[in-house]
Amino acid sequence: EDQVTQSPEALRLQEGESSSLNCSYTVSGLRGLFWYRQDPGKGPEFLFTLYSAGEEKEKERLKATLTKKESFLHITAPKPEDSATYLCAVQAEVRGKLIFGQGTELSVKP
Amino acid sequence: NAGVTQTPKFRILKIGQSMTLQCTQDMNHNYMYWYRQDPGMGLKLIYYSVGAGITDKGEVPNGYNVSRSTTEDFPLRLELAAPSQTSVYFCASSYLLAGEADTQYFGPGTRLTVL
Repeated sequence: EDQVTQSPEALRLQEGESSSLNCSYTVSGLRGLFWYRQDPGKGPEFLFTLYSAGEEKEKERLKATLTKKESFLHITAPKPEDSATYLCAVQAEVRGKLIFGQGTELSVKP
Repeated sequence: NAGVTQTPKFRILKIGQSMTLQCTQDMNHNYMYWYRQDPGMGLKLIYYSVGAGITDKGEVPNGYNVSRSTTEDFPLRLELAAPSQTSVYFCASSYLLAGEADTQYFGPGTRLTVL
């Protein structure tokens, strides 16, 4: 069964303290892995699509990486405005529909 | 472009009442989706549409109905509201070609409470 698990469930950082969020997945053939940011009371906002193991993408303080079993979202020198819930989703080759993890709630304190 | 818009933002229903959640996109996307998000859970797919006149069930379709008469609009209908339908509902859309990764864009959500 296709599955996505994100860890940790919640992460508290001090401003400037770099860290990583994990997304582990089990899928029969990966078509794409997606990262979204969700602010309280808002809809998910698209960040990255990763297609194959070894791929990396960056946007400001965020860098997403992909292996055959997991993806990491690295946050370098975070700021309070990076506080949000980060969602990971995978799309299987055969099933085709996005499967979402439960999210990691990130809090960055000044 | 406004992107994906949803109305209403908030709604309280009594058990057994009906309502329609509206969703409109102005990006000329072919695919549209309805998800629900419950606390601590991932987004669950309710229904989706690959184009006007074509809809299909997702993971949790019971208690809901959809239609898609135009490319832009994809309303979600709740016929007999139940407390289990208390959730936040998100509409999404994408321009998807066969064999490609499905990058979806989401609306702001509708928070529904059934009492």
